[in-house]
Amino acid sequence: QITLKESGPTLVKPTQTLTLTCSFSGFSLSSSGVGVAWIRQPPGEALEWLAIIYWDEDKRYSPSLKNRLSITKDTSKNQVVLTMTNMDPVDTATYYCGHRGDSSGYIDYWGQGALVTVSS
Amino acid sequence: QSVLTQPPSVSGAPGQRVTISCTGNSFNIGGGYDVHWYQQLPGTAPKLVIYGNTHRPSGVPDRFSGSNSGSSASLAITGLQAEDEADYYCLSYDSSLSGSGVFGTGTKVTVL
Repeated sequence: QITLKESGPTLVKPTQTLTLTCSFSGFSLSSSGVGVAWIRQPPGEALEWLAIIYWDEDKRYSPSLKNRLSITKDTSKNQVVLTMTNMDPVDTATYYCGHRGDSSGYIDYWGQGALVTVSS
Repeated sequence: QSVLTQPPSVSGAPGQRVTISCTGNSFNIGGGYDVHWYQQLPGTAPKLVIYGNTHRPSGVPDRFSGSNSGSSASLAITGLQAEDEADYYCLSYDSSLSGSGVFGTGTKVTVL
């Protein structure tokens, strides 16, 4: 059974760096074709793709946020970490991580989401 | 603003059929990238209802179906039920965005 769970601060101040951890079980991020993605959703708004890291260390970022994002994985700990620099109130959102297990690219398993509020 | 455009809202009476479009371009749907569809109920994570353009995951009712043509894709819900009232999003990938994933703008389905 595949499960994912996001963890990190619920409140960050403007200009600070956000670090979120996705802890997962039921799959290995060293298996061919597997990826873990980060997606966010501001309150009342649409889903936004942030980044994905694949089993082979390939990383893809949303071009609009590329300069602020970093995604890494720790295969031994079954974790993926997303950092986002220079946080702003517009970055207030629920942040989800998800499992991509097929070359078709769909995210089939999602974490419950973590609400991050950016405020001074 | 997303490169995948969906209508903000669609509605239908119970039992009716509704369709949601997802319009892209030659860098995403038109470029051969698959389209996937998600249902999101308030306060919950998105749930996959269609993957690989036309495939239904196990447990998803067969009243949900997907199709695509050219640079557009569609999700159809036939025999609309009250429990189908939710937000729906399409997902694809885009070569002009360095192979990043991209979600549609989202559609609110209302059951009248």
